[in-house]
Amino acid sequence: DIQMTQSPSSLSASVGDRVTITCQASQDISNSLNWYQQKPGNAPKLLIYDTSILETRVPSRFSGGGSGTEFTFTISSLQPEDIATYYCQQHHDLPLTFGGGTKVEIK
Amino acid sequence: QVQLVQSGAEVKKPGASVKVSCQASGYTFTGYYLHWVRQAPGQGLEWMGWINPKSGGTNFAQKFQGRVTMTRNTSISTAYMELNSLRSDDTAVYYCTRVGTYSSAWYYFDYWGQGALVTVSS
Repeated sequence: DIQMTQSPSSLSASVGDRVTITCQASQDISNSLNWYQQKPGNAPKLLIYDTSILETRVPSRFSGGGSGTEFTFTISSLQPEDIATYYCQQHHDLPLTFGGGTKVEIK
Repeated sequence: QVQLVQSGAEVKKPGASVKVSCQASGYTFTGYYLHWVRQAPGQGLEWMGWINPKSGGTNFAQKFQGRVTMTRNTSISTAYMELNSLRSDDTAVYYCTRVGTYSSAWYYFDYWGQGALVTVSS
């Protein structure tokens, strides 16, 4: 199975800050990496697929990059509504696996 | 608009079974694979498996092999996930979710059900 390791597990930042989350795969997954946002009590929401493609109607302050085993997810200017937990997910091979999540809070 | 509406919360005793439904609307049910993902309280997301609504074919995570069944009823655009021999660590919110591209077995998940909390307790 492909293990996905996210860091940090939580972070606290101020409104307007640039926030970056990393996701490391245990083997080369090319660009087969998706990112989801989950707010408390809600289902996950797709933000980015194939490493860097923004889902429709997702704000442009969200972006993703990387390839192979190292990936990043960035919020260019943190907004209060971005408070959530973010998960990466690989779709290179079955079983599909998720990172452990990064909880983003406002300082 | 695309919607996945799941059945309600369940409380089960250890050793029992639970069957969660996921009714789809707003798109061609047989055109998109459905997956099940669960989330234990305060924990991350765990993939369980998928069903091809057109053929009924399935694929499960090894962890759930022999204990999970996924079925569908195309006449009512509904998928089902049944988990047997429940244990306390099966307590979780169970989500159905749709693959975002036509006829792809897996890729990204673009729509999710609201989740169904299954509590296993004696």
